[in-house]
Formats: sequence, C-alpha cells, structure tokens
Amino acid sequence: NAGVTQTPKFRVLKTGQSMTLLCAQDMNHEYMYWYRQDPGMGLRLIHYSVGEGTTAKGEVPDGYNVSRLKKQNFLLGLESAAPSQTSVYFCASSSPGGTTDTQYFGPGTRLTVL
Amino acid sequence: SQKIEQNSEALNIQEGKTATLTCNYTNYSPAYLQWYRQDPGRGPVFLLLIRENEKEKRKERLKVTFDTTLKQSLFHITASQPADSATYLCALVTGANNLFFGTGTRLTVIP
Repeated sequence: NAGVTQTPKFRVLKTGQSMTLLCAQDMNHEYMYWYRQDPGMGLRLIHYSVGEGTTAKGEVPDGYNVSRLKKQNFLLGLESAAPSQTSVYFCASSSPGGTTDTQYFGPGTRLTVL
Repeated sequence: SQKIEQNSEALNIQEGKTATLTCNYTNYSPAYLQWYRQDPGRGPVFLLLIRENEKEKRKERLKVTFDTTLKQSLFHITASQPADSATYLCALVTGANNLFFGTGTRLTVIP
C-alpha cells in the first residue's frame, strides 16, 4: 500500500508557465483534496472532490483548476503560474464521511515560481 | 474574522516532561477537532479526533481536551521523548469537507 503519492516532488516554473500536479491514492477513498501550505498561513484548501467526475472549490481556488477523471487520481493544474503560487502543495484523501474522518496526506510538492 | 491560533510557534521541553499545546479559535462552530503531526518535508499525519460533545480523548501518551465554551483544545504529550519532536497542527471541522488548519506549533524535546 503506497497510500497517497504525489508527482513531482519539486518543480521550478517561470511566471506564466503551466503545469499539472498529480495525486494518486490506492486506498479506494471517495474524497480527495488539494491544499497549499505557506509559512505563517497554515494549510489552506484549494479544491476538493467527493467522487469521480466531481470537483468543488475550497478556500483559495483562484488560479487553479482540478480534474478527477478516475477515482484514484486528482490533478491540480496551474494555467499561468504566478510568484504568489510558490508554496508546498499537499494532496489528501479520505473515506466517505469526508473531513469528519481521517485525512491521509501525500508527501507534498514544493513549487517555486520565479 | 475567523481565526485559529496555536500557542507559540515553537515550544521546547525537557525529555520526560509533559508537553501541552494549545489551539484557540474564534468565530467557528466546529463539530470536530483533529490533531495532526507533521515532520519536516513530510505531509501531516492524523493523531486524534475529538467531537464537540466529548470533553477528553486519550491515545497512549496523547490526551486531547475540547472546551467549546472557552473555544479551546489542549493537546498533551506525557513522558515526552525526543522522537516526539515535530510540528503539531490542530484542524477544525465545521461541516462536510470544511476543514480549517492552525499554523502549527513546533515542539522540540530536549534529551
């Protein structure tokens, strides 16, 4: 059981470039989440999904898009990266019951936008 | 405005002592409160969950209390060990998929 995995681990982008972060989970969880973590700000929810083919906005969704084409994968896209999107991104998943139950986090992706 | 505050950014204690971490919140009505541990370069790992109608929860050397009147949760690690050194995050759950994290307290247990 790999749990929650994230690809890539590190990435450096120039302003205006695009990229996609991939999250995969092998626990058959219905719910998946994308967070960003910034110093002094804590973890903030970007987008989440309650099932295959569904997505919803979290606390800080602007500048990001997501897709959940397969139950085990949740993709986070940056269409035109900005320096303000420099952060560590975490994916998480949980079983039905949503955030009332345990969230399992991936190891994170450190993104720098120059 | 809504706020979640965890006491001091950093807390240093001697091995064997009890570490007490605080999570205070304003303008939230959480149904649940969770505590996570995060090691450098890793994702958070769930430790304990406590519901609004529970006063206290224990798991091995960990104890969590939840006072909805004071709007505060306390997280205790008894007989602390250097391996307990990490950042501890509290998270408020206000409803389905509404999870709000504090900024964390970095605990260092000194041998």
